[in-house]
Formats: sequence, structure tokens, C-alpha cells
Amino acid sequence: ETGVTQSPTHLIKTRGQQVTLRCSSQSGHNTVSWYQQALGQGPQFIFQYYREEENGRGNFPPRFSGLQFPNYSSELNVNALELDDSALYLCASSLRRNVPSGGHGYTFGSGTRLTVV
Amino acid sequence: DQQVKQNSPSLSVQEGRISILNCDYTNSMFDYFLWYKKYPAEGPTFLISISSIKDKNEDGRFTVFLNKSAKHLSLHIVPSQPGDSAVYFCAASALGGAGSYQLTFGKGTKLSVIP
Repeated sequence: ETGVTQSPTHLIKTRGQQVTLRCSSQSGHNTVSWYQQALGQGPQFIFQYYREEENGRGNFPPRFSGLQFPNYSSELNVNALELDDSALYLCASSLRRNVPSGGHGYTFGSGTRLTVV
Repeated sequence: DQQVKQNSPSLSVQEGRISILNCDYTNSMFDYFLWYKKYPAEGPTFLISISSIKDKNEDGRFTVFLNKSAKHLSLHIVPSQPGDSAVYFCAASALGGAGSYQLTFGKGTKLSVIP
């Protein structure tokens, strides 16, 4: 059973550029959630994808968008990068969209460290 | 507006003693409370959770206590071991838009267990 893998592990971008982060969900999981963890903060929910559609969104502007593919992998896209977008971006997968309520079956990847200069 | 608060950024405990990590919340709609452990360069790992209808849940060395009237929960680790040194996040789950469950995290507490 493979876990959640994210790529790349580190990335440096210039303000105003666009970035795409990738996530492969754990085998058998069909739901992917994305979180942003700024330095010194806890992870903050961005959005969740279930059956290739956005299924819930946190307090993030529209320049944060995503995709989920038929194999359940997912992408997070951020347009018009700002300095405050510098953070660790975490992907988490689960079997169903309502699994995280109990904590079990909700697996995080190691994250992508994005630095915007 | 921080709905989940961990007011202690760090905690140092001697090996073999009890570690107590605290968490406060403001949203009465949270239905589960969870603790995650995070090592550097790794993603958070689920540790233990408690339903909002219970006041205690135990799993080996880890026990979580929930005081709903005070909107407070705590994680007890007994006995503490050097391998427990990590950042611990308190999180709460609630039903969000379109039937999804969202986790709201605190800022974390860095636990150092001294041999």
C-alpha cells in the first residue's frame, strides 16, 4: 500500500508567476484535500476534491484552483503568486469525503515547500 | 478569528514523566477533535481522536480528555519518551460545504522530551 506522494518537494517562484503542485493519493482513496501551512501556523483548509469535483472550500481566493483526475490524483494551481503564498502545501487523501471526522483513514503527504520571492 | 487555539508554543518534559498538551476551541459545531503529530520534513500523522459526545479516549500511552463546558481538550502522554519529541497539532472537524469534512488546526505545540 503506497502512501500519499507530493511533488515537487521544494519550489521557488517569483511573485506574479503561476505554480502547479501535484499529489498522488493513497491506493484505494478517492478523496483529496489540500491544506496550506504558513510558517508558525497550523495547516489551513484550502479545498477538497471528490469524484473530480470541488467539494468544499476554505477561505482562499479564486486564484487557488485545483483538479482531480480519474485516477484520483490531484493538482493545486496558484495564479498570480504573492509573497504570502510562501508556505508548506499539504495534500491529504481519504476513502470518502466524510472520513476525517474520526481521524482514521486520513493520510497526509510530506508536503511541497513553496517559496515566493 | 482562531477557532482552535494552542497557547503553548513549546513544552519540555523529562523522559518518563507525563506530558500534557492543551487546546481550546470556540466553535460548538465541531463534532470530532483530533491530535496529530508532525516530525520535520514529514506530513502530520494521526495520533488519537475523541467524539464530541465523549469526555475521554485512551490509546496506549495517549489519552485525550474533553471538557465541553469549558471548550477545552488536553492530550496526556504517559510515560513520555524521547521519540515523542515532535510538533503536536490539535484539530477539530466539522461538516463544511457540499458534505465535506474540514479540519481546523491550532498552531501546534513543540514537545521536547529530555532523556
